[in-house]
Amino acid sequence: EAQVTQNPRYLITVTGKKLTVTCSQNMNHEYMSWYRQDPGLGLRQIYYSMNVEVTDKGDVPEGYKVSRKEKRNFPLILESPSPNQTSLYFCASRTGGRVEYFGPGTRLTVT
Amino acid sequence: DAKTTQPTSMDCAEGRAANLPCNHSTISGNEYVYWYRQIHSQGPQYIIHGLKNNETNEMASLIITEDRKSSTLILPHATLRDTAVYYCIVRVAGEYGNKLVFGAGTILRVKS
Repeated sequence: EAQVTQNPRYLITVTGKKLTVTCSQNMNHEYMSWYRQDPGLGLRQIYYSMNVEVTDKGDVPEGYKVSRKEKRNFPLILESPSPNQTSLYFCASRTGGRVEYFGPGTRLTVT
Repeated sequence: DAKTTQPTSMDCAEGRAANLPCNHSTISGNEYVYWYRQIHSQGPQYIIHGLKNNETNEMASLIITEDRKSSTLILPHATLRDTAVYYCIVRVAGEYGNKLVFGAGTILRVKS
């Protein structure tokens, strides 16, 4: 089944403790991206990648890192999480410039 | 990308057609209209997209006016599981760096 998977789905952590949220897609898509969703602010893009080793900032990249060493994986790294990064995170992928497929989401709480 | 305007919320009776409008008066000739929905904090789900012709798939129909300044998403027989936030997005297709810009969307409540 074609899908985007994220892990973990839920995470509670403390300020400053490095964490990684993994994202994987099995559709051989070149383009992958990360969004965060906050009440009243909607979905905002954090980072995106057009292909292996090609990444760029989205609208809200501060405090996040990404890497794209393999086509199928696009992990989101929070080196020193802070409470304002408490949010619902979505990974997405697409091919060409057309339909974007989203993962199920990761709910992160930073205390 | 052009901006879109959608009603904040709508109600629909179960089994009836749900018609969700979207205004995109500044749409450019190479911009497509996309519809996504999000069911209660799940990942957004693609529904349909089109350029200027009406489109239909197993989920919905998309009607785009001749001047392309507005469109309507039609769910022909709404069920309770169609209760969700529906997003209308215009975007140039075929460009990798072109992200989806989500607005507030329309909250559709399907009632029995």
